[in-house]
Amino acid sequence: QKEVEQNSGPLSVPEGAIASLNCTYSDRGSQSFFWYRQYSGKSPELIMSIYSNGDKEDGRFTAQLNKASQYVSLLIRDSQPSDSATYLCAVNPAGNYGQNFVFGPGTRLSVLP
Amino acid sequence: NAGVTQTPKFQVLKTGQSMTLQCAQDMNHNSMYWYRQDPGMGLRLIYYSASEGTTDKGEVPNGYNVSRLNKREFSLRLESAAPSQTSVYFCASNRNTGELFFGEGSRLTVL
Repeated sequence: QKEVEQNSGPLSVPEGAIASLNCTYSDRGSQSFFWYRQYSGKSPELIMSIYSNGDKEDGRFTAQLNKASQYVSLLIRDSQPSDSATYLCAVNPAGNYGQNFVFGPGTRLSVLP
Repeated sequence: NAGVTQTPKFQVLKTGQSMTLQCAQDMNHNSMYWYRQDPGMGLRLIYYSASEGTTDKGEVPNGYNVSRLNKREFSLRLESAAPSQTSVYFCASNRNTGELFFGEGSRLTVL
């Protein structure tokens, strides 16, 4: 069974700090990796996608992928209270977008003013 | 642009009752999904449909049936509801970049 694991948290960081969220996956053949943000009582929304090894930056967010270690991370720089949410890591095992996306349990982030 | 629309948003059922959750998307996406979300367990796939006319089981299909009525609509049916099916249900659709677009969710309680 393909698995995606995350530290459930809560992860608490002070405002302005860097928040580091981690995710590991079991299927070595996985091709596509995503980070979703979910506010309490709301639906998930995509914030980052990454497909190749290395870093991908978008504003305050940086996704990092290491396929050899089967590890994906999300860094949030200059964390704001509005970043407080649950962050879900998702993996598309075969790179076929018509197939299954496997989600981790999510990490709850709390940014303290 | 409505995106993905789910109905109903809230439902309370008694054990053994049946119901259908409706989902429609107006983005011309081929793939549609039904997930359930329980505390501490993330999103678990119930069924998905890669294209009109096809459906496949996900991780937790037992107790559910689906219908891909046309390209826009993908419904989820509970034939005989059980308390273990108390959850928040999300419908999603997928454009071929891999991004999932989610509906607002349907909160179901089975007594």
